[in-house]
Amino acid sequence: DVKVTQSSRYLVKRTGEKVFLECVQDMDHENMFWYRQDPGLGLRLIYFSYDVKMKEKGDIPEGYSVSREKKERFSLILESASTNQTSMYLCASSRGMGEAFFGQGTRLTVV
Amino acid sequence: GQQLNQSPQSMFIQEGEDVSMNCTSSSIFNTWLWYKQDPGEGPVLLIALYKAGELTSNGRLTAQFGITRKDSFLNISASIPSDVGIYFCAGQWGNTPLVFGKGTRLSVIA
Repeated sequence: DVKVTQSSRYLVKRTGEKVFLECVQDMDHENMFWYRQDPGLGLRLIYFSYDVKMKEKGDIPEGYSVSREKKERFSLILESASTNQTSMYLCASSRGMGEAFFGQGTRLTVV
Repeated sequence: GQQLNQSPQSMFIQEGEDVSMNCTSSSIFNTWLWYKQDPGEGPVLLIALYKAGELTSNGRLTAQFGITRKDSFLNISASIPSDVGIYFCAGQWGNTPLVFGKGTRLSVIA
């Protein structure tokens, strides 16, 4: 089975802090994705990566950056956390651009 | 960008009832996927559809890829309490990432 693991289930950070969300997949997938999920808004794509060191902006990249130094690991970075970034963050991976497999999610609260 | 309209937004049903939800798009897709998200967890893939007109079942779940390639539906028969959750449709076209609907929140009353 594909396994996508996010480093934390819950995080509480202060406004202005630099925040790292880590994601690791074990199926040698080329593509990895970061989404945020908010009530009533569904899943919105922040960034994705189709290869090591490659990244593409999704629909809502503002306030975020990403890093992919190894194929299995994709990090989401909040350079200066703000309260409007309080959300559920979901990482996913896929072999092509079709079926994506998700991690368990990180619920981030910025206070 | 492409948008999916998923309906209904929420449903309250009695245990044992059948459920139907659907997604429509103004654009065509090559792939339709249906996911379920349990409370506090990430979405899990239920059914994948790759051909227009395709009808696929997974236990009590049945999904169809619309003939126009612009819609898909998911049916759940004889609902049980563990069907509770949020169901998402997702469409994919070309070499672009999945586009997700906003979800249907299903509540089952025992």
